[in-house]
Amino acid sequence: GAVVSQHPSWVICKSGTSVKIECRSLDFQATTMFWYRQFPKQSLMLMATSNEGSKATYEQGVEKDKFLINHASLTLSTLTVTSAHPEDSSFYICSARRDGAASSGANVLTFGAGSRLTVL
Amino acid sequence: AQSVAQPEDQVNVAEGNPLTVKCTYSVSGNPYLFWYVQYPNRGLQFLLKYITGDNLVKGSYGFEAEFNKSQTSFHLKKPSALVSDSALYFCAVRGASGNTPLVFGKGTRLSVIA
Repeated sequence: GAVVSQHPSWVICKSGTSVKIECRSLDFQATTMFWYRQFPKQSLMLMATSNEGSKATYEQGVEKDKFLINHASLTLSTLTVTSAHPEDSSFYICSARRDGAASSGANVLTFGAGSRLTVL
Repeated sequence: AQSVAQPEDQVNVAEGNPLTVKCTYSVSGNPYLFWYVQYPNRGLQFLLKYITGDNLVKGSYGFEAEFNKSQTSFHLKKPSALVSDSALYFCAVRGASGNTPLVFGKGTRLSVIA
């Protein structure tokens, strides 16, 4: 089955530092990956759509200079939280959509296990 | 704009009883509908989806959901709940046309009591 690996699963950092989170599709190619943010007891908020070889598409209200997304290959997308602050503490989840389906919109998204970021 | 409503924050059910987790949606055109489950500090796991065809969709772990176009609903059901079903359940929708993102409901926490 499709597997998405997300690393690290936990990270604690000091305020002002930058943190990179990796999202890898292990057994399929994904031109499109998605980054979500989840606050405690709340739903997933789509932050951005990551497209291999092109710029990410950010949702309204998400600072692209704050949350840098790079999709350098068909199996890897990274999210870098720059100059992190305590309010950036959250659970970040990536997902990937398998390439190749005739109707890719019907494809199931495969989610990573999430990365919990704590900024002190 | 597409949206999903899960009217219940919490659903409690006794083990062995049937369970229902409600979901209604709003989308332009035909919908693609999904249910995901999330266990503590974990990502989401796919349960089932409706794309086209039979309105009753069967998924993982004995779950099923019924697509009702007139009521724009896609309620998740299971005939007999297990304690291990206790988790956070998310309904999600996207439009069948265009490149719209998947939009999630706020989630419903299911507690199955032994």
